[in-house]
Amino acid sequence: AQSVSQHNHHVILSEAASLELGCNYSYGGTVNLFWYVQYPGQHLQLLLKYFSGDPLVKGIKGFEAEFIKSKFSFNLRKPSVQWSDTAEYFCAVSHNAGNMLTFGGGTRLMVKP
Amino acid sequence: KAGVTQTPRYLIKTRGQQVTLSCSPISGHRSVSWYQQTPGQGLQFLFEYFSETQRNKGNFPGRFSGRQFSNSRSEMNVSTLELGDSALYLCASSLEPTGANTGELFFGEGSRLTVL
Repeated sequence: AQSVSQHNHHVILSEAASLELGCNYSYGGTVNLFWYVQYPGQHLQLLLKYFSGDPLVKGIKGFEAEFIKSKFSFNLRKPSVQWSDTAEYFCAVSHNAGNMLTFGGGTRLMVKP
Repeated sequence: KAGVTQTPRYLIKTRGQQVTLSCSPISGHRSVSWYQQTPGQGLQFLFEYFSETQRNKGNFPGRFSGRQFSNSRSEMNVSTLELGDSALYLCASSLEPTGANTGELFFGEGSRLTVL
C-alpha cells in the first residue's frame, strides 16, 4: 500500500519568508501528485498537480512544487509567503485510474504579519 | 455555480445505529468520492463512484457502503455505528467528461458525525 509523509506538522513563518513543505511518498510505480490547501473555514481545494512532463509545476497564488522521482518527493515551495497563506496543506498521491487519493497527514502553516 | 453540497452537516448517533449521508456534486460532475477525516488518521479514502458504478474502494469494513444515482448524487451509509466512526465525512466531485480522471477534486464542507 502506498503512503504519504509530510514531515512538518506545524510551521510558523513571518511574512516574506520563503516556504518549503516536504512531502515523500512510497510507491514504486507511476504516480500522480497533488497539493491541496484548506484555508480557515473553507473547503479543501487543489493548489497544484503533477501528472507528467516538466517536474516543476506551478499552481495558484505563487506556489510551485518539484517532483524528484529518485527521492520520491514532491515538495511545495513559495518564495515569499503572505499572511493569507495561513492554512493547512495536504500532499496527496494517486497511482491508478480514478480519484483514489492517499493523503499525507497535513502541515499547518501559520504566517505572522 | 453551486459547489458540492453535503447533508446533514452535523449529526449525533449512538452506537449500533446506522447513518446515511448525502452528497450532491457540482452540476455536470460524474465522479463522486468519499473520504473520512479524523485527527488521528487524517484523510482516508472510502470509495469512489463514477456513472453509478463503484470505481475504487478503500480499506474500510463492509459496514461502510455507498451508492450513486443516475443524477450523480451519492449517498454513503454506515451501519452498526462504533465510537471510532466519529469523524468528518467529506464528499468530493470531479469533472471527467471522457472518463479520464483529472485529479482535481472539489470538496464539500463535510458531514460531522458524532457517535455516542
